[in-house]
Order: sequence, then C-alpha cells, then structure tokens
Amino acid sequence: EVQLVESGGGLVRPGRSLRLSCAASGFKFDDYGMHWVRQPPGKGLEWVSGISWNSGSIGHAESVKGRFTISRDNAKKFLYLQMNSLRAEDTALYYCVKDDAGSLRGLLDVWGQGTTVTVSS
Amino acid sequence: DIQLTQSPSFLSASVGDRVTFTCRASQGIASYLAWYQLKPGKAPKLLIYAASTLQSGVPSRFSGSGSGTQFTLTISSLQPEDFATYYCQQFNLYPLTFGGGTKVEIK
Repeated sequence: EVQLVESGGGLVRPGRSLRLSCAASGFKFDDYGMHWVRQPPGKGLEWVSGISWNSGSIGHAESVKGRFTISRDNAKKFLYLQMNSLRAEDTALYYCVKDDAGSLRGLLDVWGQGTTVTVSS
Repeated sequence: DIQLTQSPSFLSASVGDRVTFTCRASQGIASYLAWYQLKPGKAPKLLIYAASTLQSGVPSRFSGSGSGTQFTLTISSLQPEDFATYYCQQFNLYPLTFGGGTKVEIK
C-alpha cells in the first residue's frame, strides 16, 4: 500500500524554525517527484514546494521563498521541509504529496494525512 | 499565477441527488486540471485528472468534463460517503494553484 506519513509539526514561536519529515512506503520513492501542500485553518489548499526525483528541479511558492527549503533522501525514502523565520500566516496543516511523475508534472496522486504547524507567541 | 474560481462554494444536497459544480480558470489550461476530495482527518483523494479521466478505484458516479477555462465535476447519484469538500487544481503552470473549494453538505 502506498503510504505517506508526516511528522515534525507542533507549536512554535514566530521567527523560529521547524523541520517537517515525510516517510514514504509502498512505492519506488526515487522514481517520483514530491511536494508539500498546506491548508490554513478554515481556508483552502496552497502549494508550498516541490522537488523532482533526483532533486534536480526544485520550486517554492513566493510566500515561502527564501524561508522554506524542500529536500529529500532517496536512500531513506524521506521528504523534508525546513521552515525558517516562521510567521503566524504559516499556521496550517501540511501535507506530503506524491507527484505522478519523476519530474514535477504537478499531478498530486497520493497524499498523507498531514501534520499541523501552529506559529504563535 | 493562474486563478481558479469554484462555484458554488457551498452546496446542500440529498442522498441520490445529481450534483454538478464548476471550476473556472483565469487563463486557458488545456486539460491540465484535477479534482480532489477532502474529508476532515483523512488523506485527500485524487478523483479525476486531465479534466475527465477517472483515477483508478474512484467510483464511476464521479465524472469530469471541460477544457480551456471551464470545467465541471458531476456526481451522478450522491452517496453518504460523498459529503466532503471538493477542490480543483491546475497543473498547467507553476505555481500549482487550487480553487477555493465546494463543500457538499447533507440537506
């Protein structure tokens, strides 16, 4: 069974850092691009970051550019999101999502259940 | 960025009803559109991609149509498990963008 399990969320003060992790199983991880998508409380979905199968292509939304970094460890089958200089508006449920292609085609075919990040003083 | 506008934002319907909601793109995206179903506490689920292709395992009561800037998602006979929020998403250009969602509730 294809599975994505996020971890690392929690309560953090504005300006601090947090690293999210996503453990992948049930598919050949290093064949597929991966993404992070978030959903603020009571709001819609927002694409955050994406990374191709070999980390050769990486993209971030303008709202997080320069603060967030996506990375992956294909040997361990993990996806990461390093979040620095966190702001209240980064408060959201963060989903780890599999792309249906190795490149960043952008079709999001498998999602995790998410991990919650709350930025508050 | 490509803006996606979904309507209605909220829909009240009964089991067995046929429901249709729409997604309009701010510029042409060919058929690079997907539909997702979200339920609280569960992993979101891909329903339809390329505007009209049913994802494997998704019931045939779901169907999608459209191209360019106008798209629709139809549920031919609403089932209890279909009460959820539905989002469209374009994958024609980065950044990937989503519509604001349509919440389907029990009448």
